[in-house]
Amino acid sequence: EAQVTQNPRYLITVTGKKLTVTCSQNMNHEYMSWYRQDPGLGLRQIYYSMNVEVTDKGDVPEGYKVSRKEKRNFPLILESPSPNQTSLYFCASRKAETGAIGNTIYFGEGSWLTVV
Amino acid sequence: KNQVEQSPQSLIILEGKNCTLQCNYTVSPFSNLRWYKQDTGRGPVSLTIMTFSENTKSNGRYTATLDADTKQSSLHITASQLSDSASYICVVNTVFSGGYNKLIFGAGTRLAVHP
Repeated sequence: EAQVTQNPRYLITVTGKKLTVTCSQNMNHEYMSWYRQDPGLGLRQIYYSMNVEVTDKGDVPEGYKVSRKEKRNFPLILESPSPNQTSLYFCASRKAETGAIGNTIYFGEGSWLTVV
Repeated sequence: KNQVEQSPQSLIILEGKNCTLQCNYTVSPFSNLRWYKQDTGRGPVSLTIMTFSENTKSNGRYTATLDADTKQSSLHITASQLSDSASYICVVNTVFSGGYNKLIFGAGTRLAVHP
């Protein structure tokens, strides 16, 4: 079954304590990305990766890091979390785009993060 | 500025009724437009993807339309069911030089279907 798996699903942490949210996909997709979703706002892209060892900033990258050492994994790292990073986070993946058709994007189930 | 605006923000309908959700966008260049369904606390799930040349696409009781000239799209839900209660997100895909695809997300319409 095609899946994007995120962990943890729920986390409460304290300000400044480094944490990592893992993301893994089993579809051999080239493209992976991280989004955050806040009330009243659309999903906003944090970072994306077009393939192994290729990553770039999205719209809201401040306070986050990523790495793409393997094709299937794309962890999101919060080096020093702050309360304004309290949000619902989604990892997503898709095959590389070829033309305007658009490949289906698969989202993980989300990770609820609270920073106190 | 690339933007995707959805209306209404929220909607309540009775089970069995039809409804239409709206999406207006100012994204350019346009590559494709997608509608997603997101259940509360879950990841979005794809409903339809339409390119510039397509003006309608169906997925079961969901029918999306696209008017690329006016930059408007709609999602029509027929004979609504309680399980249709969710947020519906319109997403427009643009392509930058170098072939990088970027998705612009609307804030979503929250639909509640009541018995």
